[in-house]
Amino acid sequence: QVQLKESGPGLVQPSQTLSLTCTVSGFSLTSYNVHWVRQPTGKGLEWMGVIWTGGSTDYNSALKSRLSISRDTSKSQVFLKMNSLQTEDIATYYCARAYVAALDYWGQGVMVTVSS
Amino acid sequence: IQMTQSPSLLSASVGDRVTLSCKAGQNINNYLAWYQQKLGEAPKLLIYNANSLQTGIPSRFSGSGSGTDYTLTISSLQPEDVATYFCQQYNSWWTFGGGTKLELK
Repeated sequence: QVQLKESGPGLVQPSQTLSLTCTVSGFSLTSYNVHWVRQPTGKGLEWMGVIWTGGSTDYNSALKSRLSISRDTSKSQVFLKMNSLQTEDIATYYCARAYVAALDYWGQGVMVTVSS
Repeated sequence: IQMTQSPSLLSASVGDRVTLSCKAGQNINNYLAWYQQKLGEAPKLLIYNANSLQTGIPSRFSGSGSGTDYTLTISSLQPEDVATYFCQQYNSWWTFGGGTKLELK
């Protein structure tokens, strides 16, 4: 069955880089696009970016200067890297598969705190 | 594209017909999805392309609308429907509405 699972450090120091991994199963990264979405606790959802089936990427313009998404198709993994983290980046980070551009399967999410 | 949901909080009774609204800042050509998010869980896709029911979602959920105005309807509210509901447009990149929190009266 289709599954996505985020992993990575739950605590990042201010101004440092966040690195998250999304490991997928049940589908191929060359057949479905994968998105990253984040959600501050108790708040709404923010689309961060997408890696397309061909490997190209697009980003939310508000995050573009700090964000990078990549993948390793052989390991069925998608990576998110975001630098210069601040307290405004405290959130739960989700990866999600796209189906006709809507997001039909989501990971459980990983909570990230920014603190020294 | 700005997405505005209303109301932000809705109280209803079991069995009620419930209507949630989502307004886009410009025509999004029915490229709209609805998600349900229960406390502590990831969002779940309910509706895509404005009115297509995702596989496995109960038929009491339905979506409608066109242009800039869209609606999610729950025909008969059940206790397990208590959640926050988000709309999302994907006509031009992806943006989410602020959400409607649905609670039982």
